[in-house]
Amino acid sequence: SQQGEEDPQALSIQEGENATMNCSYKTSINNLQWYRQNSGRGLVHLILIRSNEREKHSGRLRVTLDTSKKSSSLLITASRAADTASYFCATPDGYDKIIFGKGTRLHILP
Amino acid sequence: EAEVAQSPRYKITEKSQAVAFWCDPISGHATLYWYRQILGQGPELLVQFQDESVVDDSQLPKDRFSAERLKGVDSTLKIQPAELGDSAMYLCASSPQGGTGEQYFGPGTRLTVT
Repeated sequence: SQQGEEDPQALSIQEGENATMNCSYKTSINNLQWYRQNSGRGLVHLILIRSNEREKHSGRLRVTLDTSKKSSSLLITASRAADTASYFCATPDGYDKIIFGKGTRLHILP
Repeated sequence: EAEVAQSPRYKITEKSQAVAFWCDPISGHATLYWYRQILGQGPELLVQFQDESVVDDSQLPKDRFSAERLKGVDSTLKIQPAELGDSAMYLCASSPQGGTGEQYFGPGTRLTVT
């Protein structure tokens, strides 16, 4: 299947540092999404990047997409305790649904 | 801000019992999804509705799971009988018209089967 694969599986950084996580996928896509999930809660949409975009920003978030390498990265700058969560990339599976990766668990240390 | 509602938030049931989850999507959203999320994994799609019609239930274990969205608004997911392996988070999401765009998630129902 098209399931994206996040890397690393888990990441711990000090508050204030930047966090980078990556997503690799197998087949051509027309967009890629990133979601955040706080412990025991539902997912929250962060950003959608289209295949004709290389970089997109939203507040402290920066997402890149390299379609030649079939990969995307999510950068969180100046991390905060509230950024502690799991982050999932989601890629299209066919024309009418998306499929989620297994996620990166980010822990921000005080 | 409109949100997807789910109830209950937590459910503990014994194996072989029946259990049901309810979801109310954002008003006007035609597409509704039920996902199952095992601890440490990403959500996996169980069933997708477009209005009141099922468009994808290929991953729904139909011997024990059923889902309906009778009036094309709210939806119910049922498990009967529950098995130990059904313990998971059950997430509902909605989107305006489906496709591969943004989905809006509810808070989920944490099911524990004992």
